[in-house]
Amino acid sequence: QVQLVQSGAEAKRPGASVKVSCKTSGYIFTTYAIHWLRQAPGQSLEWMGWITVDNGNTKYSQKFQGRVTITRDTPANTAYMEVSSLRSEDTAVYYCVREGKTRPATGALDYWGQGTLVTVSS
Amino acid sequence: IQMTQSPSSLSASIGDRVTFTCRASQSISYYLNWYQQKPGKAPNLLIYATSNLQSGVPSRFIGSGSGTDFTLTISSLQPDDFAIYYCQQTYNTPQTFGQGTKLEIK
Repeated sequence: QVQLVQSGAEAKRPGASVKVSCKTSGYIFTTYAIHWLRQAPGQSLEWMGWITVDNGNTKYSQKFQGRVTITRDTPANTAYMEVSSLRSEDTAVYYCVREGKTRPATGALDYWGQGTLVTVSS
Repeated sequence: IQMTQSPSSLSASIGDRVTFTCRASQSISYYLNWYQQKPGKAPNLLIYATSNLQSGVPSRFIGSGSGTDFTLTISSLQPDDFAIYYCQQTYNTPQTFGQGTKLEIK
């Protein structure tokens, strides 16, 4: 069965960086894109960026451009998302998500990691 | 593209038929997906491309619409349906979500 398992909760100081991992299993890693989203407490979902796993191409929301880096390790079937220059507003649950291959294709997100809580506080 | 959901919350009873609305700030064709989220859990894909049921999702979930106006209907509420529902547009980048509709038990 398809699984995306994320690394554990993190507590960071403002100005620090955090790197969240997303280990996948149950499907061919290189054939599906991975997206990263976040959800601040009590808020809706916010898309941060994505990676096409086969070639490593990335695209980021303009809001996070320059502060977020998405990478992957194909032999390890794992994707990563790093956020730098953290501030208190970055406190949120961060999700890695697989983009499904629906027909018609709409980029719907079909399998989600369990989420990683990142808390930024001095 | 801004996505606006209404209502923000809704109280209903088991067996009721309920409808949520999602409006896009510009036309998004059929690039509209719906998700259900329960407390402390990741969202779950229900409907993709406006009206297509994701595998394993009960047929009481019905999506419709096009352009800027979309609806999600639950034909007969079950206890497991009380949750927050989000719409998402994937017409262009960045993909964006509505603020959610919270469905509560009356």
